[in-house]
This record gives sequence, C-alpha cells and structure tokens, in this order.
Amino acid sequence: DTGVSQDPRHKITKRGQNVTFRCDPISEHNRLYWYRQTLGQGPEFLTYFQNEAQLEKSRLLSDRFSAERPKGSFSTLEIQRTEQGDSAMYLCASHTTGRYTEAFFGQGTRLTVV
Amino acid sequence: KQEVTQIPAALSVPEGENLVLNCSFTDSAIYNLQWFRQDPGKGLTSLLLIQSSQREQTSGRLNASLDKSSGRSTLYIAASQPGDSATYLCAGLTGANNLFFGTGTRLTVIP
Repeated sequence: DTGVSQDPRHKITKRGQNVTFRCDPISEHNRLYWYRQTLGQGPEFLTYFQNEAQLEKSRLLSDRFSAERPKGSFSTLEIQRTEQGDSAMYLCASHTTGRYTEAFFGQGTRLTVV
Repeated sequence: KQEVTQIPAALSVPEGENLVLNCSFTDSAIYNLQWFRQDPGKGLTSLLLIQSSQREQTSGRLNASLDKSSGRSTLYIAASQPGDSATYLCAGLTGANNLFFGTGTRLTVIP
C-alpha cells in the first residue's frame, strides 16, 4: 500500500492521559499535514512540515500538543493531559511542494477521551 | 481568512438522478480547489483537483468546475448510484499553505 498510513485507527483514553499518533506519508511527498475534524465539521488545519521542519502551527494547537517529523519521514502527534474536548478525528495528509499538487489523506485516528 | 461554504448541507436523491453540489469561497486567490469524499468514520478520498488556471476537471461520472472570479465551484455527479452515498467536502489551497474546508454535503442516494 503506497498511500498515507495512520496508526492507531482508534484510541480510547482517560482524561489526563497522554496519547501519541503516527502518520506515514507517501514516500516521495515532502509536505506532511495534521488536521482535526469534529463531528459534522470539515477538517481544520493544525500544523504542517516540509521535510523535517515544522513550518506552521495553528492557534488550535495548544501547548499540550506537539508534533515531530524526525528525518523528514513519518510524523508523530502527541497530546498531553488529554481533555474531553480533544475527542475528534485526527487526519494526516501529504503532498509534494508546490501550489498545484493534490493532497492525499490517511484513514485518520479517532480519539475518544472519557 | 479563507471561508468555505457548502450548500446544501444534506441531499437525498433517487438512484439515477444527476445532481450538483455547491461550494463557495471568500478568497479568490486560491491556488487550487480539491473535492473529497468521506465515508462515515473514514478518512478523505480525493476525487478531483482543479488548478486555479483551469475551469473544470472530469473523472468518470464526476465533473467539477471552478469560477475564481465569483468564488464558486460545483461538483456534478451524473447517474447517481447508492454507492455514491457519502459526505462530499470541498477545500481550497491558498498562500497560507493549508487547505480550508467547507462543512460538507451529506449525500444519500436511494435505491
């Protein structure tokens, strides 16, 4: 499978616990994005990387959130001290650099904080 | 900030009908407009990408158009099938380097 891969697909955690999600982009894509989607809404941008550099972060990304992309390959998104409001689908997307390239998304990680 | 609106929010049609989904955006300085399909609990599947210099793109029974000057895009689905039932999302890419999404149109095709 050469698409964008996310792990785990589902995560249930207790409030206050830390969670980490992983995204493996399409191998030749140097841009990697994280989005969050709540029920009935469109995805909202969280952050993106070009290679290993994190170039932009949304105001939605509180200081409890951190993302990394070591070596410009896979990326991880960690949420510390989870809150019920963090419950959402977390989506990863990748595409090549440039204005006219197509974004490809993974299947997402569904987080439920109880 | 780019704002994207999709109308209608939900649509139910009998199988075989042709239908049009609408997307409007506030910032005409978009680089491209992309249409996605999302099945319940799943990720997004790219359907069509229209570059800012293009007017339309076609893939099978799908045709998407883009009018930057009026800030509108439409997705036309011909001869709808029950398997087309899903939520359809449009998203614009701007100089902010990230996609701005609408809230989607939930389509139900009745057999």
